[in-house]
Amino acid sequence: DIQMTQSPSSLSASLGDRVTITCRASQDIGNYLTWFQQKPGKSPRRMIYGATNLAAGVPSRFSGSRSGSDYSLTISSLESEDVADYHCLQSIQYPLTFGSGTKLEIK
Amino acid sequence: EVQLVESGGGLVQPGRSLKLSCAASGFTFSNYYMAWVRQAPTKGLEWVASITNSGGSTYYRDSVKGRFTISRDNAKSTLYLQMDSLRSEDTATYYCTRAGFDYWGQGVMVTVSS
Repeated sequence: DIQMTQSPSSLSASLGDRVTITCRASQDIGNYLTWFQQKPGKSPRRMIYGATNLAAGVPSRFSGSRSGSDYSLTISSLESEDVADYHCLQSIQYPLTFGSGTKLEIK
Repeated sequence: EVQLVESGGGLVQPGRSLKLSCAASGFTFSNYYMAWVRQAPTKGLEWVASITNSGGSTYYRDSVKGRFTISRDNAKSTLYLQMDSLRSEDTATYYCTRAGFDYWGQGVMVTVSS
């Protein structure tokens, strides 16, 4: 199974900060990497697909990038509405596997 | 508007069965792979099972293989998850989601407890 190692597990940042969350894949997953945002009591929302593509309706301050087996979600300027849990998912191979999640809070 | 609406959750004793449904609308259901994803209380997301658009192939995580069955009725635009021999570790909110994970249902809670 492909392991997705997500870091950090929690993150506290100030409004306006640049924030980066990373997932490292244990095997080659190409660009089959999706990022989700999940607010308390809500369903996940797709933010980035194909590692770098912004999903419909997602603010442009969100971006995705890849460096080798490391995949990153970056928020260029943190806003209060970005407080949420963030998850990555690899979908190149079954079983599909999620990262362990990152809890993002405002400092 | 794409909608996925799950139903069928509840409280069930260990070893018993439960069947979840997910009614889809707003898109051509038969064109899409579908999946179930779950989330135990205060835990992360966990993929459970997927099914091809025709229903001809299914995929499961090891911990539910042989106990859960994913199926679909394209005529009714409905996805199912038959869950047998339930265990306490199956307690979670279950979401149905479309291939690409661009749309998710609101989730349905399954609690396995005596």
